[in-house]
Amino acid sequence: SQQGEEDPQALSIQEGENATMNCSYKTSINNLQWYRQNSGRGLVHLILIRSNEREKHSGRLRVTLDTSKKSSSLLITASRAADTASYFCATDAPGAGSYQLTFGKGTKLSVIP
Amino acid sequence: NAGVMQNPRHLVRRRGQEARLRCSPMKGHSHVYWYRQLPEEGLKFMVYLQKENIIDESGMPKERFSAEFPKEGPSILRIQQVVRGDSAAYFCASSPMIASGAYNEQFFGPGTRLTVL
Repeated sequence: SQQGEEDPQALSIQEGENATMNCSYKTSINNLQWYRQNSGRGLVHLILIRSNEREKHSGRLRVTLDTSKKSSSLLITASRAADTASYFCATDAPGAGSYQLTFGKGTKLSVIP
Repeated sequence: NAGVMQNPRHLVRRRGQEARLRCSPMKGHSHVYWYRQLPEEGLKFMVYLQKENIIDESGMPKERFSAEFPKEGPSILRIQQVVRGDSAAYFCASSPMIASGAYNEQFFGPGTRLTVL
């Protein structure tokens, strides 16, 4: 089963607005992470939230995790043009193979100056 | 401390040729992971290696693909007789040795973009 389905697939906002992206997954997880990928570039790790945590902040980022709904959200406040990128959630599952990160297809965020 | 390095960054091959992708993990990291990203998709796990050992290759196609992480030198992902469907971005990640049960954050390289003509 596929983990980490993000929605929306694409999001376009004005600079200064907040951007919210959601991620749903199907099976139990140890951790959920969010990554950013600028066009044609590598992945940048943004934030990790553990399965026993509900909310985490890092700068302008706020991540929530609802394990009962198997979903997470990433909120970017006061967006900037430089936030334009694709955002992926990735999960790792308990047990053997926990090193395997399972990624969704990502949300393409465009921040218009 | 340099991050994960991958080369080449871009690789063009004709159908039937071989592709060799190299990954140098971060200093002090002994675990390497390869992922493949098809266009407009997320990354998919391929293989997990420690020095001189393949730990898990469950995500790697059974034919034409192989990976190694020798005692000395970078990890190599090798694709023989490439086909157009192999065109993708291939990412390597590395992590340090960790205590059992702890989470090992994976640090990603910039990727190699393979184009098969």
